[in-house]
Amino acid sequence: SAVISQKPSRDICQRGTSLTIQCQVDSQVTMMFWYRQQPGQSLTLIATANQGSEATYESGFVIDKFPISRPNLTFSTLTVSNMSPEDSSIYLCSVDRAGGSNTEAFFGQGTRLTVV
Amino acid sequence: TQLLEQSPQFLSIQEGENLTVYCNSSSVFSSLQWYRQEPGEGPVLLVTVVTGGEVKKLKRLTFQFGDARKDSSLHITAAQTGDTGLYLCGGATNKLIFGTGTLLAVQP
Repeated sequence: SAVISQKPSRDICQRGTSLTIQCQVDSQVTMMFWYRQQPGQSLTLIATANQGSEATYESGFVIDKFPISRPNLTFSTLTVSNMSPEDSSIYLCSVDRAGGSNTEAFFGQGTRLTVV
Repeated sequence: TQLLEQSPQFLSIQEGENLTVYCNSSSVFSSLQWYRQEPGEGPVLLVTVVTGGEVKKLKRLTFQFGDARKDSSLHITAAQTGDTGLYLCGGATNKLIFGTGTLLAVQP
């Protein structure tokens, strides 16, 4: 398993500002994942953060809006830039553990963002 | 595009009732996982099923992987209020994808 600490757990932000979310893992991992989730709904992958290279963004998400840092194998940040009310959501970081044919995900507790 | 469709989307039941949640796909998966997410928390892994036809039990929860490894079900016996949460299935091929989610509310 993996223990993931994510902060802040929640924030209320003014439109036009930016928020940086931090994610710390208790062990070294190659890839870290950032998801967005509306309450009660499934997860949408924003990007995959690789240490030592640019993050890989999914369709509909761009680096200018969601810049990601990955300075080492245990830490990553996601910034939500120039926020609007449409960015209000839960943001989750995650890592995978692969064993044989299994790939299992472990998550931080999430950051509930409200943009006003 | 690989999709994992869950049904039902929402479920509200009384404590003590039984329920089944389904996770279906047209794709074959090497494994399927089930996660539960409570409000204010991230999803937590409940179980992984790997072999077609496999059945795993976790107390009152029974998980089954379809013979063709395209679908899975989660059955909860005698639901309790503590079972309330969002249930997500997850499937791995070249990357991990998540189901559409089932929001379960167990009323006292």
